Amino acid sequence: GAVVSQHPSRVICKSGTSVKIECRSLDFQATTMFWYRQFPKQSLMLMATSNEGSKATYEQGVEKDKFLINHASLTLSTLTVTSAHPEDSSFYICSAREQGAYEQYFGPGTRLTVT
Amino acid sequence: AQKITQTQPGMFVQEKEAVTLDCTYDTSDQSYGLFWYKQPSSGEMIFLIYQGSYDEQNATEGRYSLNFQKARKSANLVISASQLGDSAMYFCAMRESMDSNYQLIWGAGTKLIIKP
Repeated sequence: GAVVSQHPSRVICKSGTSVKIECRSLDFQATTMFWYRQFPKQSLMLMATSNEGSKATYEQGVEKDKFLINHASLTLSTLTVTSAHPEDSSFYICSAREQGAYEQYFGPGTRLTVT
Repeated sequence: AQKITQTQPGMFVQEKEAVTLDCTYDTSDQSYGLFWYKQPSSGEMIFLIYQGSYDEQNATEGRYSLNFQKARKSANLVISASQLGDSAMYFCAMRESMDSNYQLIWGAGTKLIIKP
């Protein structure tokens, strides 16, 4: 099956610093990648959709200047949380979709804690 | 109105019994797709099964089957012979044809606990 990796799996950072999370499709080319945020015991909340070589499309209410998304290649997308604050602490999970395919394959997620 | 409804926040099932997780959906599209994902406590979302709106047969993948009732707009997941490792959150999701990126609309999830 399709494999998506995500790094780091856990990160603790101080308030005001920036954190970069990488999402890689290991055995397929990801035309589209999605970034989600998940609060405890809740469903996934889509933050943004990115297509390779294009600017990401952000969902309503998601600050694009705070959550910078780059999808520079067909196998890599990054999410940078800039000037992180404790309220940004959450589980961030990416997924990737191959061109022509319906299903999204997910990375293992990144647990971000901002102190 | 919610597009994906999972009415069971939690379920307890005895090991080896069959489990049905409910999912109803709302769409005006003729072409759409329904997914089920499993999320164990580790957090990773695992794709289980997919059903397209035009598929005539119910989808099956090993112990998983999707009971697709188009007229009732339901897409229930059936797990046969449940195992302890099936304990997890289960999410139903839908893609609509109008979205070229195939974004998924997610249900709230059902927490399934298998009892030994």
